[in-house]
Amino acid sequence: GAVVSQHPSWVICKSGTSVKIECRSLDFQATTMFWYRQFPKQSLMLMATSNEGSKATYEQGVEKDKFLINHASLTLSTLTVTSAHPEDSSFYICSANAYSARSYEQYFGPGTRLTVT
Amino acid sequence: GQQLNQSPQSMFIQEGEDVSMNCTSSSIFNTWLWYKQDPGEGPVLLIALYKAGELTSNGRLTAQFGITRKDSFLNISASIPSDVGIYFCAGQPQGGSEKLVFGKGTKLTVNP
Repeated sequence: GAVVSQHPSWVICKSGTSVKIECRSLDFQATTMFWYRQFPKQSLMLMATSNEGSKATYEQGVEKDKFLINHASLTLSTLTVTSAHPEDSSFYICSANAYSARSYEQYFGPGTRLTVT
Repeated sequence: GQQLNQSPQSMFIQEGEDVSMNCTSSSIFNTWLWYKQDPGEGPVLLIALYKAGELTSNGRLTAQFGITRKDSFLNISASIPSDVGIYFCAGQPQGGSEKLVFGKGTKLTVNP
């Protein structure tokens, strides 16, 4: 299957600082990537759809000025959590669509654990 | 919004037993996917289904895309301890969006 990587795998930051998380498709090009947030013992919550070369599309209730997404190339999308606060602590996971002759499949990165102190 | 009802929420089984879990929806989906997530990791794609009635296997895993396009099931045969984890169903709804809708997950525990 296709491989998606994330960096860093975990990060601890102080309240008020910004944190950038990178998501890369390693062996395929991804025009569309997705950013999810996952709380303990819950399912994945889609935050936004990242489109290469255009603005991200945010889900209802997600602050676009707080969660900045940049998809500058076909293999890289970044999520920047600006002015982070403890309530932003969570597990952030990205995914990317890999296309085949039949359709496409969504592959996930390993996730980034963010802790804001 | 669209929702997937995944059941059971959790399962406790003995090693060697077979397992079955399913997802249902009130609306039609174009694609069904099944993922497994281990603690602290991202979900890993197990099986993708594209066509109503399609039955696909991946080792000891078998999944089917329901004829009505509103449901899917995943079976695991002869479970082993490493099958432990949370299994999520996901579907791509009609309408052209590439976003997925996720079920709430089935937590599987396998007792050796």
